[in-house]
Amino acid sequence: EDKVVQSPLSLVVHEGDTVTLNCSYEVTNFRSLLWYKQEKKAPTFLFMLTSSGIEKKSGRLSSILDKKELFSILNITATQTGDSAVYLCAVEPLNPGSSNTGKLIFGQGTTLQVKP
Amino acid sequence: EAGVAQSPRYKIIEKRQSVAFWCNPISGHATLYWYQQILGQGPKLLIQFQNNGVVDDSQLPKDRFSAERLKGVDSTLKIQPAKLEDSAVYLCASSPRLISGNTIYFGEGSWLTVV
Repeated sequence: EDKVVQSPLSLVVHEGDTVTLNCSYEVTNFRSLLWYKQEKKAPTFLFMLTSSGIEKKSGRLSSILDKKELFSILNITATQTGDSAVYLCAVEPLNPGSSNTGKLIFGQGTTLQVKP
Repeated sequence: EAGVAQSPRYKIIEKRQSVAFWCNPISGHATLYWYQQILGQGPKLLIQFQNNGVVDDSQLPKDRFSAERLKGVDSTLKIQPAKLEDSAVYLCASSPRLISGNTIYFGEGSWLTVV
């Protein structure tokens, strides 16, 4: 069964700290891994990763994928209170014939709280 | 561009009652998804439509949940009868078609509490 596991489940830091969120996965046919931020409303897209070792970066956030070890990390530097949210990792599998499924398998999320 | 619209936003019902949620996807999006997100967990796919056909409903509890997308646009998710464990946020999402995951857009969710 396809599975996505995130760690830690929750994290409390102070403004200015750097945090690393982890996501490991087991998927039969892998297409991509995605990170979302969720603040008590719709999940908003952060990154999509398809290739190993290529860092994606957006401001203070960055992410990288290791397809050999089947994990990804999301880094947030110089955290701010506005970064407080649930961070979701999801994997998009392929069908056995390598066609897109269009569906996402989510981990349980990491709840990040940034204190002033 | 208007986003994915869902209603109602919040609903409280007693167990064994029924409830229906409505979703209007982004205009022109062929693929529509319903996800269930229980507090403290990640979203779980319940059903996926491509136009008005079902692509995947393997995780839909069909004894109590039903969903339809009759004209390939709006969709309705119904729960009858509701159980306490159905308390969750029901997220609707849409994408242009079965392409990459970064083209999936989520609505703000319908929050269901079953008492």
